[in-house]
Amino acid sequence: DSGVTQTPKHLITATGQRVTLRCSPRSGDLSVYWYQQSLDQGLQFLIQYYNGEERAKGNILERFSAQQFPDLHSELNLSSLELGDSALYFCASSVTGEPNYGYTFGSGTRLTVV
Amino acid sequence: QKEVEQDPGPLSVPEGAIVSLNCTYSNSAFQYFMWYRQYSRKGPELLMYTYSSGNKEDGRFTAQVDKSSKYISLFIRDSQPSDSATYLCAMSGEDTGRRALTFGSGTRLQVQP
Repeated sequence: DSGVTQTPKHLITATGQRVTLRCSPRSGDLSVYWYQQSLDQGLQFLIQYYNGEERAKGNILERFSAQQFPDLHSELNLSSLELGDSALYFCASSVTGEPNYGYTFGSGTRLTVV
Repeated sequence: QKEVEQDPGPLSVPEGAIVSLNCTYSNSAFQYFMWYRQYSRKGPELLMYTYSSGNKEDGRFTAQVDKSSKYISLFIRDSQPSDSATYLCAMSGEDTGRRALTFGSGTRLQVQP
């Protein structure tokens, strides 16, 4: 157990729907990163939050949004889902807002859009 | 061209072999280099971390960084079937303009008993 908790583990939904993925970082970690992993794209950085504030944005679609709450857990919202959004979504956390010492990943949410 | 290139494999070796996994990169501002191991359907797990050039050893694992060639390597000695996984390199640096790790696409390793 890495200490980063992601729920749900699996999600199957239809095109056009909206889902919310949840992440609780390791105790003491202030920063949360969201990544998407698909077979043909590898790990793609979506967005980072540090202590409740958005810190960096990667290749995140406008249909996707995220936030980090005062208790430091984070949610990734995916709307108007398309078949191509099917992927593993990982959350990672670190103590600082900088990635330079690596971060700890959760076990991911597998999203299937049908 | 991707910023970090990694041969996807699969790389198949017999148990006990020495494994060499490699990444090349194009951004000379990268200074921090990591290797992650990812088992099927699991989250990536940090294996090794190095700063700038040089070698670092941890048990059966050795990480090497050659910044002049923009080339990093992970060596696994006495490989075991339990080492079968996808290995991802990752890197970052203060002057890269990136606020998150940049990952290679991963090399799938299979160690045959």
